[in-house]
Order: sequence, then structure tokens, then C-alpha cells
Amino acid sequence: QTVVTQEPSFSVSPGGTVTLTCGLNSDSVSAYYYPSWYQQTPGQPPRTLIYDTSTRSSGVPGRFSGSILGNKAALTITGAQADDDSNYYCALYMGSGVVLFGGGTKLTVL
Amino acid sequence: DVQLVQSGAEVKKPGESLRISCQGFGYSFTSYWIGWVRQMPGKGLEWMGTIYLGDSDTRYSPSFQGQVIISADKSTNTAYLQWIRLQASDTATYYCARNNWNYVLDYYSGLDVWGQGTTVTVSS
Repeated sequence: QTVVTQEPSFSVSPGGTVTLTCGLNSDSVSAYYYPSWYQQTPGQPPRTLIYDTSTRSSGVPGRFSGSILGNKAALTITGAQADDDSNYYCALYMGSGVVLFGGGTKLTVL
Repeated sequence: DVQLVQSGAEVKKPGESLRISCQGFGYSFTSYWIGWVRQMPGKGLEWMGTIYLGDSDTRYSPSFQGQVIISADKSTNTAYLQWIRLQASDTATYYCARNNWNYVLDYYSGLDVWGQGTTVTVSS
């Protein structure tokens, strides 16, 4: 069974930089998986941050960036702010219209 | 303004049927796919499946194949998620989202516009 892996939790200081990763238990993540990233705060629908590895969605601040690092997709927040305290989910395209989400990373900014 | 508006919260009993909806506004609905995403209480996002509004081509996650039915009515710009027999484990919030999949080129650019979510509670 294919599983998308994310760190369960991470913390960062205000103004700091943090990189969250998104891997696969069965393969290396490359651009062909078209990684996308979503931010969600409790009680709200997700917000799209990044698609196609590194393209920022409309209105997303430049402190959010996406990349491939080694064999994983990565979301980097540079200059973290208090309202970045959220859950972050990656999604990978598995082919034939099927997408798989990771389990999510709870980011604490403190 | 591009938006997806979902139907309201539902409270149902196990064994009952249910259909929830997602209506699109402000864009050419029949040119896009709509995806459905489940979020169980306190848990993460799970991709359930997707439908193309132009011809109702539907793809399911293996985890949800046979458990739900995804359909659409292009005359009303509406996508649906349906259960024939609900179980307590279907209790969750369900989101629809515009799913940017170019199936001709097999190019995927993620979910961009999200509905507000529909909370479904199944309890005896």
C-alpha cells in the first residue's frame, strides 16, 4: 500500500525558517508526482499554497516556497509568522486521476 | 467570483441514504474536474475521488471505490457525493474542490477552489 509520509509535528520560532517534507514509502518523490501543498486551520477549509512542486497559488505570500529536496517534496516557510501556526498537507498525483494526501504536519510557531 | 457552495450539515441514522451537493459559480463548470475530500473528526485529509463535469467521467480512490457514488448534473453546475447506506464511520466533514487535472496531457496542478465543507453526522 502506497503511503505519503509527512512529519507529524514541527515547531519554529517567529521569524525562523522551517522545511516540511513529503515522501513516499515506495518511491522517490519527483516533479512527476506534481506535489501540492495545503494549509488548514481548525474549523476552516484547506487553503491551497503550492501546486506543481513550486508554483504559488494566487495570493500566497512569497515566504512560502516549494521544491524537491533529495527524494522528497518540500515546503519551506522563510520568516515564519504567528498565523502560519496551522496544519499542512501535501498531496501527490498517482496517475489516472488519483491523488493521495499525506497525514499532515502540525506546525507550531512559538 | 469563483466559488463552490456546498449543501448544509446533515444528521442521519446508520443505514440511511444521503446525497450532498457542491454547486459551482463564476467559472465554466463543465470544463473542470471536481474532487471530493473527507476529513474525519480530528484527522487529516483523504482524497475520495473526482468527476469531470463535461461528461461525468469519474475516478475513485481505491479506498472509497464501492463505498460512495460521485455524480454530477451539468445543467445546474452541481456535483454530488452519495451514500446508499450510511455507517457511523462516515461521520466526517466533506469538502469539494476544483481539481485541476488535464487528463489529455496527464498534467496535474492541484486543488485550487474549495467549498466550505459539509459536516455529516451518523448516529443512532
